[in-house]
Order: sequence, then C-alpha cells, then structure tokens
Amino acid sequence: LAKTTQPISMDSYEGQEVNITCSHNNIATNDYITWYQQFPSQGPRFIIQGYKTKVTNEVASLFIPADRKSSTLSLPRVSLSDTAVYYCLRSNYQLIWGAGTKLIIKP
Amino acid sequence: DVKVTQSSRYLVKRTGEKVFLECVQDMDHENMFWYRQDPGLGLRLIYFSYDVKMKEKGDIPEGYSVSREKKERFSLILESASTNQTSMYLCASSLLTSNPNEKLLFGSGTQLSVL
Repeated sequence: LAKTTQPISMDSYEGQEVNITCSHNNIATNDYITWYQQFPSQGPRFIIQGYKTKVTNEVASLFIPADRKSSTLSLPRVSLSDTAVYYCLRSNYQLIWGAGTKLIIKP
Repeated sequence: DVKVTQSSRYLVKRTGEKVFLECVQDMDHENMFWYRQDPGLGLRLIYFSYDVKMKEKGDIPEGYSVSREKKERFSLILESASTNQTSMYLCASSLLTSNPNEKLLFGSGTQLSVL
C-alpha cells in the first residue's frame, strides 16, 4: 500500500533553517513530489515540486535522493509567518497525501 | 487574481438535511476536486471530475455525490447529512487532465457543522 509519511509536528526559531522530511515507500517511477503550505482558515497552497535531485525557488528547496524513497523540504531562515501546516504529496494519476506537519516558529 | 471560490465559509445544518456545497473556478481548469480535512487525518479525496458531467470516486465517497454541469462549477452534495460529516471541506482545481502533476489551486474551505 502506497503511503506518504511525515512528522506530525516540529518547532524551530526565527532565522533558523527548517527541514521537513517525507517518506514515500513504493514510490512509482512516474510519481512527482509536491509540497503545500496551509495557514489556518485557508486552503493549502503550492510551494514546490520535484522529481529527483534538488529544486529551488524563491520560497524553499526540495531535496530528493537518488532512491526517491524520501524527500526533504528546506525552508531557509524561517520567520514567524512560516508557522503553518506543510503537506507532502506524491502524485501520478493518483494523489497520495501525507497527514501534514504542523510547524511552529518561535521568536 | 485567478481563484477557486467556495460559496460558504461556515455552514450549520441539521441531521438528515440535504446539503449543497458549491465551488467555482475562473481559470478554465479541466480537473476539480472535493476533499474533506479532519484533524490528524490530513486531506482525504471524496470525488473528482476531469470534465463536464464526468466524475470519479475518491477514497471516501460514501454519503456524498457530486455534480458538474458546467466546467467552472463543481458541487458536492450530502444527500442526508450526518454528524460524522462535520468537517472542513476543500475544493481544488488543476489545469490539465493529461498532466497529473499539475499543481492544485484550493479554495478557502467550508467548515460544515451537522447538528
């Protein structure tokens, strides 16, 4: 059974780099990995997507090792406004969501 | 701004009522989705649609139905609401059926309480 597993919660401090790891067993050849961010009272919003190696945009980086059994979302120099729930999604023609990681950033 | 609009932010209904949740997107997206979100369970897919009048069951379709008469509108219907359907309901859309990795654009959600 394909699953996507991520930590339930994490906390960190302003200015730190935060890494959230997602495990995806039995990942299929055509699966992509996507991360979404959700603030209270809002729907999730797209952060970053990748297939393998490293992808970087203005918000985050995504690292996917060669075996693709996991992925790591990296948020550089977090601020209080990065407090949110982060979802990992593996997608092909089936969308398999992780249960979400509640990230709390402290001053 | 392109967006997905859910008609109600909060909704309170009684057990046994028929409930309609409406979702409209203005981006000419082919795919539309209905999810429910519960604490600790993340997002669970109820139904999705890849074209007008087309629908596919998701992971938890029991107790729900959907309607897509126009491309921009996707409705979720609770035929006879029950208390275990109290939840946050999220609508999403994506551009192309042919690309399963299209990013999803979500609405702000409808918090439904069934009393």
